[in-house]
Amino acid sequence: DTGVSQDPRHKITKRGQNVTFRCDPISEHNRLYWYRQTLGQGPEFLTYFQNEAQLEKSRLLSDRFSAERPKGSFSTLEIQRTEQGDSAMYLCASSLGGRSPYEQYFGPGTRLTVT
Amino acid sequence: RKEVEQDPGPFNVPEGATVAFNCTYSNSASQSFFWYRQDCRKEPKLLMSVYSSGNEDGRFTAQLNRASQYISLLIRDSKLSDSATYLCVVGALGNQGGKLIFGQGTELSVKP
Repeated sequence: DTGVSQDPRHKITKRGQNVTFRCDPISEHNRLYWYRQTLGQGPEFLTYFQNEAQLEKSRLLSDRFSAERPKGSFSTLEIQRTEQGDSAMYLCASSLGGRSPYEQYFGPGTRLTVT
Repeated sequence: RKEVEQDPGPFNVPEGATVAFNCTYSNSASQSFFWYRQDCRKEPKLLMSVYSSGNEDGRFTAQLNRASQYISLLIRDSKLSDSATYLCVVGALGNQGGKLIFGQGTELSVKP
């Protein structure tokens, strides 16, 4: 499968624990995006990378959230001291950038449940 | 005011019906518009881009009215398999582009 992959697909954690999600983009795509989606809402932008550079972060991304893309390939999203409000689907997407930055391909998402 | 607003529905229609979804966006300078489809508990997938002159892809027609900051999607001869949530999406400006702004989605249920 040459699409965007995410791991894990599901994560249940207790409030206060740290969690880390991984995203592997389509191999030739230099842009990688993280979005969060809660029930009944559309995805909300969190952050994006061009290669290893983090170009934009949403105000939604509090100090407890950090994202990295160390070698411009896969990315990780870490949430520290999870809260129940962090329960959501975390979606990763990738694109070629350049003339087609908006043509994004989404991974299956990581569904986080904080108990 | 949300940047992209849609009627959440649900829209319940019989097979073969024509259904239209509408969406408004707040930033008049926006240049890029899309419709995505999202099946239950799956990731969003690009359905079609929306061009200024309007565009059609089989049973799907998308239109843009820049003066009213309004985007529409028309589905003709709806099929059971069209049941999904349809997301109106605007490409954000600035910083080399790429950020997508989603509406909350409109749920469509096509019944036999």
